[in-house]
Amino acid sequence: NAGVMQNPRHLVRRRGQEARLRCSPMKGHSHVYWYRQLPEEGLKFMVYLQKENIIDESGMPKERFSAEFPKEGPSILRIQQVVRGDSAAYFCASSAYKGPTEAFFGQGTRLTVV
Amino acid sequence: AQKVTQAQTEISVVEKEDVTLDCVYETRDTTYYLFWYKQPPSGELVFLIRRNSFDEQNEISGRYSWNFQKSTSSFNFTITASQVVDSAVYFCALSELVGNQFYFGTGTSLTVIP
Repeated sequence: NAGVMQNPRHLVRRRGQEARLRCSPMKGHSHVYWYRQLPEEGLKFMVYLQKENIIDESGMPKERFSAEFPKEGPSILRIQQVVRGDSAAYFCASSAYKGPTEAFFGQGTRLTVV
Repeated sequence: AQKVTQAQTEISVVEKEDVTLDCVYETRDTTYYLFWYKQPPSGELVFLIRRNSFDEQNEISGRYSWNFQKSTSSFNFTITASQVVDSAVYFCALSELVGNQFYFGTGTSLTVIP
């Protein structure tokens, strides 16, 4: 029973490029949460998605960031025109039911913008 | 307002010493959950414990123990006879029954010196 799978584990992008981070939830989980961890900080909530729907995006930056969780395939966090300040670890969690209490985290994707 | 406060930014102890990591939380909900996660240098998040607000019994798991006190809104974590492998950043987190996210503290970086 595979856990939450995130890929890539490490991603390097030049300023102005696009970054796509993928998250495959655990089998049977239809709720996905994305968190960002800036250097030397705790994790901050970004967005909560259920299959094909964004439920709560209160933590998403207003520009350049978007997320989706299609009916088939992984959830994608997309960052357009990356800047140095986007360098961070991005964690995905998934749960079978609404709410994060029973959520499991992936290993994270470390994005470095050069 | 910060929902989870970890006042200790960095702690260093000598191997075999006991160490307590403090966590103070804030919520208006009567039903909530508290968590501790370990983040080793490799970067992944390792789940350690989840506690619900109705269970104030202290818990012990091997060298780890947790002290939950609703009266002081604290959920402290003690490592007994620390080992070098305990060196990591430890995060305390809160989730509320009605809500879509974890609220993480800023973490305590523990270094165990051999």
